Order: sequence, then structure tokens, then C-alpha cells
Amino acid sequence: DTGVSQDPRHKITKRGQNVTFRCDPISEHNRLYWYRQTLGQGPEFLTYFQNEAQLEKSRLLSDRFSAERPKGSFSTLEIQRTEQGDSAMYLCASSLGSISQETQYFGPGTRLLVL
Amino acid sequence: AQRVTQPEKLLSVFKGAPVELKCNYSYSGSPELFWYVQYSRQRLQLLLRHISRESIKGFTADLNKGETSFHLKKPFAQEEDSAMYYCALNGAGNTPLVFGKGTRLSVIA
Repeated sequence: DTGVSQDPRHKITKRGQNVTFRCDPISEHNRLYWYRQTLGQGPEFLTYFQNEAQLEKSRLLSDRFSAERPKGSFSTLEIQRTEQGDSAMYLCASSLGSISQETQYFGPGTRLLVL
Repeated sequence: AQRVTQPEKLLSVFKGAPVELKCNYSYSGSPELFWYVQYSRQRLQLLLRHISRESIKGFTADLNKGETSFHLKKPFAQEEDSAMYYCALNGAGNTPLVFGKGTRLSVIA
């Protein structure tokens, strides 16, 4: 296991199209997080899962954003009807359990450009 | 509300000079604080966390609840320390991280 992986690494799309990103966490990790990072900013939390349960989704930026983790392993983040303001780096992270001070391990990110 | 402030966008120091990257936080409870680092063309990775009270790559950080700060320090900077550094807060144990905007450290030979 080489860590958290994300696919694709880069995505260019036209405004109004739908896009889907995939994240594969470290295999034994039960928590999975999605963040967004724009230029000059730190990562901004979007949503997270414990196993297949989505525990927090109020921070998703709009109802165009949705995420799934159907079997408690990989996760997908979908953006419908993309807008130019959605252009950003989308980061996935995973961690083990509900232990305080848990370490989140980050993937390389998917860079989205909406034209 | 939970907030992390890193006042410096860029910090340049000479090799061998001391480094201090500032981080202030806003949280009413007992925070859990972290420093993450991102080297050029690499992914974001944990550098250290306050509860461990450890030194990683010569860096240390002490939580000062009175000043609500968690500054990152290193007595002698190395060129390989050049990177983007993010301070992050976990406010309630099981909630996701809140990140600062980051400070880019440039160590000049």
C-alpha cells in the first residue's frame, strides 16, 4: 500500500459539465475526508465518512457537490453543472479510527480546471 | 468558531539562522494542534502534533493556551526546510481539521 491515491490527477472540463473524482484511502483506514484548496489558501474541509456513513456534509459548498463511500472503502466526489469558481485542488485524506490526535494522511490531489 | 491564523505568507531566512513560523488559533475548548508541511511536488504530510511533544527534523512547537499560539520553531534552518507550512486545529476530537492559509518558508544558502 503506497498511501492515499486519487484519480484523476488533473481534470479540465467545460462549464456546465459534471465531473467525478475518486479517492482510495489507506486500506485499514475507516475515516475518509474531502478538502478543497484554492490558490493561496489552506485546505478547506468539505465532508467526511466513517466507514460508509457520511458524518458531516453541511460544509459541502452547494447542492451541486455530493460524495459517496458505498462500501466503506473508496470514495467519489461529484460536482454537477461545474462553474468556473469550482476550479481548485481537491484533496482526499484518510485516518484510522476515532482516536484523538489521529493523523490524517493526504493524497496527491485532483486539480480541476473549469473553462 | 474555530479559526487558525498564520500571519506571514512568506518567510525568508538564511541557512543556519533560527526560524519561527507563527500560528494563532481561536477555539473556546481544548484544541488539538498540528503542523503539516508540503515540500515541492509532494503531498501534504504531518510534521508534528502538540500532544506528542516531539521534535521532528529539528522542529518543535509548544502550545501556549494563554496566547492561543502554536508557533513552529527550529534553531538552525536548513535548505531542505524550504516548503509550505500549514498550522491546523482539531477542535472537538472527532471533527475535521481547520487549516491556516499557510506560510511559505524559503531558506537561502
